[in-house]
Amino acid sequence: SQKIEQNSEALNIQEGKTATLTCNYTNYSPAYLQWYRQDPGRGPVFLLLIRENEKEKRKERLKVTFDTTLKQSLFHITASQPADSATYLCALDIQAGTALIFGKGTTLSVSS
Amino acid sequence: EAQVTQNPRYLITVTGKKLTVTCSQNMNHEYMSWYRQDPGLGLRQIYYSMNVEVTDKGDVPEGYKVSRKEKRNFPLILESPSPNQTSLYFCASKRTSGGRTDTQYFGPGTRLTVL
Repeated sequence: SQKIEQNSEALNIQEGKTATLTCNYTNYSPAYLQWYRQDPGRGPVFLLLIRENEKEKRKERLKVTFDTTLKQSLFHITASQPADSATYLCALDIQAGTALIFGKGTTLSVSS
Repeated sequence: EAQVTQNPRYLITVTGKKLTVTCSQNMNHEYMSWYRQDPGLGLRQIYYSMNVEVTDKGDVPEGYKVSRKEKRNFPLILESPSPNQTSLYFCASKRTSGGRTDTQYFGPGTRLTVL
């Protein structure tokens, strides 16, 4: 069966450091992968999308990589701030745009 | 403001009492979807709709119904709620004219408790 895993439930880092979150998947070849941010009790908010033919995507302090050979995506937040504390979800397109399968998320805590 | 709205935001009900959670979007999106989110299980898709009068099952459709009579609205119906449907529910929408890569916009969530 299709499986998507985010390698840690929680990640604690200090302000100013780079946070790196991992998303691994099996048994599927998605055309693209997305990353979302979710704050407690709120809906996920889209951050970045990376296509299968792209190695890397950047947006301000965010960077996403996508290795279709390893079936892995890395999500980086550089110069992290306490305001970056949230749960981050990765999601794969699994059905020609009709369905996204989500990982369970990694909760990032940035301490000052 | 472009947004997806859900009502109610919080609901406590009893087993077997029919309820409807409404979802509305003002972005003229063709695609709408319902998810539930449970601790340890993540977000799982319940139903989705590609356009008016076109709906299909997601991963966990049992115990739920949907309808799409208007483009902007996509209500989720629980005909006979049970305690295992206690969850946090999210509605989402996206444009499909741009193809597979259009991002989803999520509503604020509805926290449902079935006693």
